Amino acid sequence: DGGITQSPKYLFRKEGQNVTLSCEQNLNHDAMYWYRQDPGQGLRLIYYSQIVNDFQKGDIAEGYSVSREKKESFPLTVTSAQKNPTAFYLCASRPPGDYEQYFGPGTRLTVT
Amino acid sequence: AQKITQTQPGMFVQEKEAVTLDCTYDTSDQSYGLFWYKQPSSGEMIFLIYQGSYDEQNATEGRYSLNFQKARKSANLVISASQLGDSAMYFCAMREGRGSWGKFQFGAGTQVVVTP
Repeated sequence: DGGITQSPKYLFRKEGQNVTLSCEQNLNHDAMYWYRQDPGQGLRLIYYSQIVNDFQKGDIAEGYSVSREKKESFPLTVTSAQKNPTAFYLCASRPPGDYEQYFGPGTRLTVT
Repeated sequence: AQKITQTQPGMFVQEKEAVTLDCTYDTSDQSYGLFWYKQPSSGEMIFLIYQGSYDEQNATEGRYSLNFQKARKSANLVISASQLGDSAMYFCAMREGRGSWGKFQFGAGTQVVVTP
């Protein structure tokens, strides 16, 4: 079954700790994206990657970091510099051309 | 500046009726794509329908249709014959630029509640 997996579904961390969210896809898509969603709001782009070993900042990249060492994987690290990390995080990928993004099930991060 | 505007934060609709969700966008690109997604309470994002800026016909997918008015920069979603399972958050999104690497911008969403 092709798709995007994100793990874990729920994540709890103490303030001041870095945490890495996993995103894996077996769709053979080049482009991958990370979004943040706060309650009752739309999606905001954190980082995106067009090809392996290349990524660009989105609209709210401060306090986050990513890597793209493999085509299938695009992990997101939420660092202690992110002031309000509690949110729902969605990963997406997309094939070339005028196609939609395919989304993972998301990870709900709670930092206390 | 906000590029996607959804002015309806929430709507109630009766089962079997049609509902129109508004979306206006702002871009200076000639080539762009417009998308609608559904997000149930589980959080997953479900793709519904796509309209390309050069498409002359309005897109349709089953009970979903997109009312595309290019001059007015609007891309309203119409859901016909609403079902209880249509209760969800609906997002309008735009991809600017041609080809693979466009960034997507999402609107704030419209919460739809379908009542029996």
